[in-house]
Amino acid sequence: QVQLKESGPGLVQPSQTLSLTCTVSGLSLTSNSVSWIRQPPGKGLEWMGVIWSNGGTDYNSAIKSRLSISRDTSKSQVFLKMNSLQTEDTAMYFCARDVYYWGQGVMVTVSS
Amino acid sequence: DVVMTQTPVSLSVAIGQPASISCKSSQSLVGTSGKTYLNWLLQRPGQSPKRLIYLVSKLDSGIPDRFSGSGSETDFTLKISRVEADDLGVYYCLQGTHFPNTFGAGTKLELK
Repeated sequence: QVQLKESGPGLVQPSQTLSLTCTVSGLSLTSNSVSWIRQPPGKGLEWMGVIWSNGGTDYNSAIKSRLSISRDTSKSQVFLKMNSLQTEDTAMYFCARDVYYWGQGVMVTVSS
Repeated sequence: DVVMTQTPVSLSVAIGQPASISCKSSQSLVGTSGKTYLNWLLQRPGQSPKRLIYLVSKLDSGIPDRFSGSGSETDFTLKISRVEADDLGVYYCLQGTHFPNTFGAGTKLELK
């Protein structure tokens, strides 16, 4: 059974760095890609980036300069790091595989 | 980036009646492989999105055949032949042909 679960701090201060973890079970990261997608409260979905099965990455150009996605295959974990956070980055953050398997999401609020 | 224009913004439908949602892309979604990576997802209140359809018209496992997808190039449609209460939520189209992947703004399906 494939499962993804996001974890991370619920509150981040402006200008700080967000670090999130997506822990995956039931599939191998060396043969599957994992994407990060976010959703501001009451708004639509935004695709942030993906880490491919070969470890390569692609990012949304709008946030590429602030975003980094990496992984630890031995722990079945995918990491998201985004710096220079602003209030507009307040959102539910999801990890997903092929937009078919989704995590439950983790709510991140950017506030002082 | 490819812009996905989804209409209508909201849809009020009685149980048992049909519903139709349009999604138009700013450029062709036919990839170099010849495949068209157009997905439809449903997000019920308080839940993660759920993929219903991929590659324009292929239903995911467990999705009732009341749902159907059609279209080509830049013009796509999701149809529900008979709306049921469980169909309520926000529907999104998502293109996966071009990077960054982009979502439509969503269509909220409500009961009349």
